[in-house]
This record gives sequence, structure tokens and C-alpha cells, in this order.
Amino acid sequence: SQQGEEDPQALSIQEGENATMNCSYKTSINNLQWYRQNSGRGLVHLILIRSNEREKHSGRLRVTLDTSKKSSSLLITASRAADTASYFCATDEGNSGGYQKVTFGIGTKLQVIP
Amino acid sequence: DTGVSQDPRHKITKRGQNVTFRCDPISEHNRLYWYRQTLGQGPEFLTYFQNEAQLEKSRLLSDRFSAERPKGSFSTLEIQRTEQGDSAMYLCASSPDSVATNEKLFFGSGTQLSVL
Repeated sequence: SQQGEEDPQALSIQEGENATMNCSYKTSINNLQWYRQNSGRGLVHLILIRSNEREKHSGRLRVTLDTSKKSSSLLITASRAADTASYFCATDEGNSGGYQKVTFGIGTKLQVIP
Repeated sequence: DTGVSQDPRHKITKRGQNVTFRCDPISEHNRLYWYRQTLGQGPEFLTYFQNEAQLEKSRLLSDRFSAERPKGSFSTLEIQRTEQGDSAMYLCASSPDSVATNEKLFFGSGTQLSVL
């Protein structure tokens, strides 16, 4: 089963614009992570935000987390054609049964037009 | 190369055949995960190993699927009597510590399975 739901499922923007993707989830979490996937490849970790954090930055990435609404957003500023990829949020429900239960959403497919 | 390695990258098989995939995690990573991903979907959890112990299996993992991590290093995922519905990307991921929380996952490039 997939915990997160990303919105929108597809996004097309011009190079230089900002891209915002949203994620909603259902259960209590230990942290929320965002991953990127280029077509036909594995996932690459972008950023992790803990449940007691509200905002985090990494380069051109900004992530927010609202645990009361069970939602997160990923903002990519000044987008580049190389940012074209699918972006997934993943919720970590903590050490359930002795491991990190990391569950992925269905993703947002971002296209950045040069 | 210190990344997660998966082999093969692509596998085409006929329905009813058995297939086996291999994953070499990052050295000294205790946690190892298998996920399955179909087109347009996110990765779905299949199973988890902590060292050599398989601690969790998804309901997605039918009796035809078996995974092992015999020495707590590399892992194999076998699918017996493949069906067309098994066609997917099979992803392996590892993370460092058995105890720590807030760890990111390191993914391999995946094995793309096509069942004809």
C-alpha cells in the first residue's frame, strides 16, 4: 500500500520558474523524505525533515512539514532542465517491528522545459 | 564503487520461468530493503532485512517470492513460476544502522523484469 499522495501527479514548467509539489499522508510519522527518480533509474535521496521540524532548506530545495495537516511540500526554486524527473515523498513511521517502515507515494512527474 | 549494486539491470523471461536478482548493498549497511515499482507508481515495499534476518514481508510477497541475505551482505530475490503481473522494476535499497532512526535509503538502479 502507498501512504503518501503527491499533488499534482504531473507538472510542466519553464526553466527558471519555481516548482511546488505537495504530499499528504495518513499516519503518524517519524520523518518525511523526498526522493528523485530519473526515468528507468533508482531513487536518489534529496532531503529529510523530522517530525519536530517545520521547514528545511538544501540548496534550491525547500521542504515544509505540517504534521497537524499531515502534509508536506517540496519547492524547487529556479528550476533547470536537469530537474526533469519524478519526485516522491516517503514517510518513515519509525522503528515499527524493528525497522524503518518507509512508504512511498505515487510521485509527481516534473518536466522543466528549456 | 561504493553504491548499491543490482544485477542484472534487465531481465526478459517467459511466463512460468524462475528468475533471481542480486543486490549488493553499501558495505557495512545493516538494513536492506526490496521494493517493487510498476510504471507510473511509487515503490511498494516487499521485504526488509536487518543483517541476515528477514524481519518483515509485505502481503505483496506471495509464496512464489523468496528473498535471502545469507551472510548479512548481498541479498537475492527469487521469483518462481513468473507471471505477466510480475513485470516491474525491482529496487533494492540499504541504510546504515540497525538502531538509528532518521536514516535515508540508498537505492540501486533496479532490475527491470519483463515477463512475456
